Amino acid sequence: KQEVTQIPAALSVPEGENLVLNCSFTDSAIYNLQWFRQDPGKGLTSLLLIQSSQREQTSGRLNASLDKSSGRSTLYIAASQPGDSATYLCAVLTGANSKLTFGKGITLSVRP
Amino acid sequence: DTGVSQNPRHKITKRGQNVTFRCDPISEHNRLYWYRQTLGQGPEFLTYFQNEAQLEKSRLLSDRFSAERPKGSFSTLEIQRTEQGDSAMYLCASSPRDRVTDTQYFGPGTRLTVL
Repeated sequence: KQEVTQIPAALSVPEGENLVLNCSFTDSAIYNLQWFRQDPGKGLTSLLLIQSSQREQTSGRLNASLDKSSGRSTLYIAASQPGDSATYLCAVLTGANSKLTFGKGITLSVRP
Repeated sequence: DTGVSQNPRHKITKRGQNVTFRCDPISEHNRLYWYRQTLGQGPEFLTYFQNEAQLEKSRLLSDRFSAERPKGSFSTLEIQRTEQGDSAMYLCASSPRDRVTDTQYFGPGTRLTVL
């Protein structure tokens, strides 16, 4: 059974800091890995998707890497801003029916 | 293309009542998923439709839960005899037909509170 772990559960940093969010998964047989952002009480916004054959993806200040063999991914956020405060969820796509398995998320707070 | 929509956005009900949620996927997306998210947890898979066929159901989907997608377009999720443990955010997602690796697009969710 696939399990996705995100540690720590919460993180508080001062504005402007570069930071790394970690994600690990137990079964390397994945189609892809996605990072999502979730604001309180809201749905999910997809940030980056990395196919299993890729090593990284970039979008603006965000960079996500994937090491499938070791079951790890990182989301790098450059020059953090208070508007980046949200919960960041990592999810892997597996199985014949392509369902997502999520981690519990990391709640990020960026202090002005 | 207006994105995935879900209705209602919020539902408060008393224990023992039945509730029904609706999901309208992105037009021509043939794959539709339901997930449930409780406080402090990531979303968990509930069930999956390809067109009108329900192809997979999680063990989380007890016999009080039923989902349909009658014409392969919108989907409904019904919970009978609600319990306080059913309180959660219910998320719907859809993805295109062509590639199994396509991203899933999520709706805003329906937040259920069972009193």
